[in-house]
This record gives sequence, structure tokens and C-alpha cells, in this order.
Amino acid sequence: GAGVSQSPSNKVTEKGKDVELRCDPISGHTALYWYRQSLGQGLEFLIYFQGNSAPDKSGLPSDRFSAERTGGSVSTLTIQRTQQEDSAVYLCASSLSRDTAYEQYFGPGTRLTVT
Amino acid sequence: GEDVEQSLFLSVREGDSSVINCTYTDSSSTYLYWYKQEPGAGLQLLTYIFSNMDMKQDQRLTVLLNKKDKHLSLRIADTQTGDSAIYFCAEKSGNTGKLIFGQGTTLQVKP
Repeated sequence: GAGVSQSPSNKVTEKGKDVELRCDPISGHTALYWYRQSLGQGLEFLIYFQGNSAPDKSGLPSDRFSAERTGGSVSTLTIQRTQQEDSAVYLCASSLSRDTAYEQYFGPGTRLTVT
Repeated sequence: GEDVEQSLFLSVREGDSSVINCTYTDSSSTYLYWYKQEPGAGLQLLTYIFSNMDMKQDQRLTVLLNKKDKHLSLRIADTQTGDSAIYFCAEKSGNTGKLIFGQGTTLQVKP
């Protein structure tokens, strides 16, 4: 079956512009996560959604970052007034549930470059 | 706070064993994971271990967990050039679903 997909695969934007990154999780997966991988750093948790529960936004680095998940499926990560330090690969993952050891399946990522 | 540390680079010869080490700080971690990232590819789960286990073996992979020292290791037997990649250690934080990742260890396998 289809895995996690993300679009666009690459995005170049000018400093100060807003960007939207999209994630299509695996069908039936109730948990969805966003991570960020910056050059020379590990993966940093941003936000996660579990079913209809309130999302865990504890990893969002500033109020310029927001995310929503519509209909329990597709998610959009929005970055307003982008800064150069936002340049990174943004990874989305989904899993059957947040519980136990359910594997998080990762998408290929969106590489964001802010010029 | 939650923190996961790894050494950044490891170089081995083909056929040797590789051992990648990881330390973590969250004593409430329930599961610990090893992910592999090959160039231009996404993250792939290699294996995981539940926090009440000491060891898990899966073909060429052996995971050792020392919960007292909060130390996790991944041993790859008979390392092949196809094992060259970045390996990430991660812990699942308490009751949340989020993963806390280390910085990744680049494994270079020389023929």
C-alpha cells in the first residue's frame, strides 16, 4: 500500500513569506507527527496529532509555526514570515496509534530553503 | 529534560562488526528505537527494544540496553558496504507518542 507522502518535495522561498507543507499519512493511521531535521542536527519533534485529541504542540519553536489536521487525515504545517533558520527538511510520520511500540512510518520529507 | 546523545561518526572495514552507542536521559522511556537513513531516502525503522528488556537480536542486529546507565547500543555483525548510512537512536517519551532522536551516527564501511 501507499506510504506517507509529502508535498512539495522541495520548496525555496524568500525570507518573510509564508509556506505550507502537506502530509498525507497512511490510511487508517490515527497518529501523525511532524519533525524537523536541520543540517548538522538530529531530528527535532515539532507537533503530533492523535485522533480527535488536542494536538501536542510542545515542540513548535515559535508562534510562527502552526499545524492542522483536517478530517483526521491530511495535515498541513504552516510557517509564517519564514526566516533563514527555518531552512531544514520537514518530516512527517504516521502510526496506528501513539501507544505501545507502533512503528512511526516516515515520509520522504520536504526540503525547505529560505533565501 | 529529555536528551539523547550519540557519537557522530564511525568507520569500519567490510566484514567487521560495528557498534553504535547511544545514551539517553529520560528514565520513563518505554521504547527505544534504531532508525536508518540512507542518502536521499527516508527514515527506516531497523529495530526497537522495550525498556524492560536487556537484549534483542534480529539477524545481524543486536541491541543491548543498560537501563541503569541509560545506555543503548546497536551491533551490526558482518558489516557490509550497504550498511553505510546514518543511524539514529530514539526514545519514546513517557506516555506521549513523540520520539526524541539523537544527532545520528554516520557509519562508513570501507571495502
